[in-house]
Amino acid sequence: GAVVSQHPSRVICKSGTSVKIECRSLDFQATTMFWYRQFPKQSLMLMATSNEGSKATYEQGVEKDKFLINHASLTLSTLTVTSAHPEDSSFYICSVPYGTEQFFGPGTRLTVL
Amino acid sequence: QKEVEQNSGPLSVPEGAIASLNCTYSDRGSQSFFWYRQYSGKSPELIMSIYSNGDKEDGRFTAQLNKASQYVSLLIRDSQPSDSATYLCALTGNTPLVFGKGTRLSVIA
Repeated sequence: GAVVSQHPSRVICKSGTSVKIECRSLDFQATTMFWYRQFPKQSLMLMATSNEGSKATYEQGVEKDKFLINHASLTLSTLTVTSAHPEDSSFYICSVPYGTEQFFGPGTRLTVL
Repeated sequence: QKEVEQNSGPLSVPEGAIASLNCTYSDRGSQSFFWYRQYSGKSPELIMSIYSNGDKEDGRFTAQLNKASQYVSLLIRDSQPSDSATYLCALTGNTPLVFGKGTRLSVIA
């Protein structure tokens, strides 16, 4: 399967600051990447689809001005949480489709104080 | 709207037993079905994919799909304490994956 990395693995920030999370496909080029969010004891919720060379597609209820997505290259997508607040504290996970399957990065634990 | 239903558990089985995890879904257009394992604090790991009716075996894992009944299951034979995790059912039909809420499995030594 595909190898996907994320950085950082854990971040703690103050309320009002912005945080950038990187997702990299290490062994193949990905024109599409997905960003998910998971709150404690909840399932994964798709936030947006990142598309190389075009705008991201956001799911209903996800603020595109708050969660900025940039698919900078065929191996890198970034998610920036702008003006983070405590309610944004969550586990953010990216995934990459590979054939008919989808592989996940290790996730980023965001804690906003 | 696609819905994927799983019993949240916890499902407790003794070591060496067969664990049976079940999932039902609402969208008959779903074509691809997956089981992910997620350990606490970690991201999901793909363990099985199944696309056609019937059984698919991989080691101690067997996935079963019945599209007529809109039902997919995962059997884990000879369960080990290391199998203790949350198992997520996911499916897609040319759209991003839709996940169930997961079933927490506890294998007791």
